[in-house]
Amino acid sequence: GALVYQYPRRTICKSGTSMRMECQAVGFQATSVAWYRQSPQKTFELIALSTVNSAIKYEQNFTQEKFPISHPNLSFSSMTVLNAYLEDRGLYLCGATTGRDTEVFFGKGTRLTVV
Amino acid sequence: GEQVEQRPPHLSVREGDSAVITCTYTDPNSYYFFWYKQEPGASLQLLMKVFSSTEINEGQGFTVLLNKKDKRLSLNLTAAHPGDSAAYFCAVSAAGYQNFYFGKGTSLTVIP
Repeated sequence: GALVYQYPRRTICKSGTSMRMECQAVGFQATSVAWYRQSPQKTFELIALSTVNSAIKYEQNFTQEKFPISHPNLSFSSMTVLNAYLEDRGLYLCGATTGRDTEVFFGKGTRLTVV
Repeated sequence: GEQVEQRPPHLSVREGDSAVITCTYTDPNSYYFFWYKQEPGASLQLLMKVFSSTEINEGQGFTVLLNKKDKRLSLNLTAAHPGDSAAYFCAVSAAGYQNFYFGKGTSLTVIP
């Protein structure tokens, strides 16, 4: 079956430092990978959508300078939170799809705590 | 872009009662509609994916209604039990899954 793994599941970083998280697709080709953030008591905000061989599209309020994303192949994507501060804490979710109108598969998320 | 409004933000019902959560969306090109359940500390669990061509969809203990004319999607838990206590999110996507837009969520509490 199709699965998405996210690493790490939980992480703590000091304010002002950076933290990298990974998303691994197993059993299907992740043509498109979307990264979301769920801040405490809030819904999931789309950060950016990455499609292999296309430019990464960032949503308003999110920038490549703050959340650089790599999507080098059809099974892997990573995102870094640069200079993390309190407002960056939350659950970061990646959702991957083949992009051919099939289901989007979500990982279990990386929970980021900033201290 | 798409805007998804979800109501109510909090809902408390007694065991055995029904619980209804509603989402409205703005983009007429929306094609896929989703309901997710999120238990405390966990990620998203897909409850149902609805295509734009189907108006009534029945799952295990719940029904999803889609009214494309009113751009309204609802989740109806027919006889809620304590295990249904969780956050529920609707999500809407255009064809090709180019973007997923989530509602703000509903925190459901089922009282035994």
